[in-house]
This record gives sequence, C-alpha cells and structure tokens, in this order.
Amino acid sequence: GAGVSQSPRYKVTKRGQDVTLRCDPISSHATLYWYQQALGQGPEFLTYFNYEAQPDKSGLPSDRFSAERPEGSISTLTIQRTEQRDSAMYRCASSPPNGGSEQFFGPGTRLTVL
Amino acid sequence: GQNIDQPTEMTATEGAIVQINCTYQTSGFNGLFWYQQHAGEAPTFLSYNVLDGLEEKGRFSSFLSRSKGYSYLLLKELQMKDSASYLCAVSEGEYGNKLVFGAGTILRVKS
Repeated sequence: GAGVSQSPRYKVTKRGQDVTLRCDPISSHATLYWYQQALGQGPEFLTYFNYEAQPDKSGLPSDRFSAERPEGSISTLTIQRTEQRDSAMYRCASSPPNGGSEQFFGPGTRLTVL
Repeated sequence: GQNIDQPTEMTATEGAIVQINCTYQTSGFNGLFWYQQHAGEAPTFLSYNVLDGLEEKGRFSSFLSRSKGYSYLLLKELQMKDSASYLCAVSEGEYGNKLVFGAGTILRVKS
C-alpha cells in the first residue's frame, strides 16, 4: 500500500478483555516494528519482525503481549487480559530489511482500557 | 541499558536558528536518528547519522560525535510549521533494527 495502515484507530475495552491490533505495512518492506507510545513520551520498542521471523521481542512488557506475522506481511499485536496500564498509543512501523533504514510509522491505535 | 537525554521544551522565534541536543549512553550503537512528530500524528524521519560529523539536508542538519555520545539537530530559518516534538533515537541490536527513543523535545516557534 501507499503507507502503513493500522486498525482500529481507536479501541476502548474493559479491563480483563483481550484485544487484537492490526498493522498493514508498506508492501515492499520486509521489516515491521511495534511500539507503545505514552502521551508526552517517545515510542517505546516492543518487538520487530523480519518477514515472518521475530528476532527480538525483548520490549514486550509481559507474557500478556504477543505479536504475529505469519505470512510476512500483515501483523497483529494481541494483549490478553488487558489492564488499565496498557492504555496507550500502539504504533506500527515498517522499513526495508537493513538496519539504519528509515522507519515509516503508521497512524497508530489509541487503546483505552476502562 | 540505554539512556537518552534531550531537553523537554524549547522556544524559538520564526526565522531564527535552533539547536536541539541529545546525549546518549547505550550498550550497542548502530546509528542515530532524528524524527519529527506533530501533535496527534505519527513520527516522520528527518535524519540519520552513523559516522561522526554533520549531515545537512535543506533547513535541517544533524551532527554526531560517537566518542562523546552526543548529537544535535539544527533547524535554520524556522517556520511556524516547525512547531513539533523532535525525537532523538539510537539504533541498537545486531542489525540495528531496534530503535530506542528519547522522550522528545517540544519546540514552540513564535512569531
């Protein structure tokens, strides 16, 4: 596609529910990243994929967080048993595979956990 | 671990020059990025430095000193539309894919 897209743009859920966020990267980009961004802060790395491989998931805050990219294109981020502290903007980005490449960010999903 | 420091806020006048500093301490370094983020929008790429020195791109320039763990972003001929948050990010990891961002510097440009 022309840019990185994410859905939904806004998600309100109740504490304890599971949520799944979707990212559709730029079609030619092999590498896909997930970030969490709190208000007034920079994005915080969660995990990334090279095609369908997930070399680094060191930023996932707990085992309630998981991400998939089964066919090396679209990715999902799932948060199980959501907690209020999970409320944040979740951003996806994509880039060509070599390190040092510009990352193109999507518009983000604003998650609110009540 | 990583530590990235940049000023929280800066104010400058339209037409002026402003320098936003960033210092970092990191266990692995593969380069340094600057991103611009307008309120309510996604970050957008401004510059990338992997070697020491100055990279110039139009009104924006970025400098890196790896030995000092220091970078700055220089914005010339400021325009009102330059009011935004400026994020310094260090690239880490074996292939440089992991970006560690600072908290950002909010720049306010006044007329």
